[in-house]
Amino acid sequence: SQKIEQNSEALNIQEGKTATLTCNYTNYSPAYLQWYRQDPGRGPVFLLLIRENEKEKRKERLKVTFDTTLKQSLFHITASQPADSATYLCASHQANDYKLSFGAGTTVTVRA
Amino acid sequence: DGGITQSPKYLFRKEGQNVTLSCEQNLNHDAMYWYRQDPGQGLRLIYYSQIVNDFQKGDIAEGYSVSREKKESFPLTVTSAQKNPTAFYLCASRTGYNEQFFGPGTRLTVL
Repeated sequence: SQKIEQNSEALNIQEGKTATLTCNYTNYSPAYLQWYRQDPGRGPVFLLLIRENEKEKRKERLKVTFDTTLKQSLFHITASQPADSATYLCASHQANDYKLSFGAGTTVTVRA
Repeated sequence: DGGITQSPKYLFRKEGQNVTLSCEQNLNHDAMYWYRQDPGQGLRLIYYSQIVNDFQKGDIAEGYSVSREKKESFPLTVTSAQKNPTAFYLCASRTGYNEQFFGPGTRLTVL
């Protein structure tokens, strides 16, 4: 099965800076990578999906990249705000296989 | 409003007891999933269902059972065979574009 690894250390950044989170995968190259946000005690919320043939995807202040050579996805939050403080989960799946493999998540804290 | 509801929010189980967690969705999604989340670990798939009256085991199905008699409902039973059931349980449904919608979760504690 797929193994997804995310930065294990929490990320603490100053408001207005860019947060960059890493998601590395092993075993095989997924067809899709997804990113979710999870607040304490709540269910994850879908943010972005990127396909293996896409280099980059953007949504408002969020940007995701997919590098199949490095077996890595980067997730960027630009102009960060305290409201962006949460745990961010990376997940992968293959085409026609809708079971997601999740990483453990990276917790981001944005200081005002 | 469309969404997924889970109940109860908190559940306490005694040793040797079976408990059932409810999951209902009004999003008209065919596929539904149950995950377990433990501190410091990623979500792990327990069971999933692509269509009514059909379901498959995920990575950690032992000690759990499900049913899918209606499109809207996908209840999970945690049986006494599950030796370490204390965890946060999440139900999700999937859109046609692959992203999953999650419910608010049920926190199960064994007394």
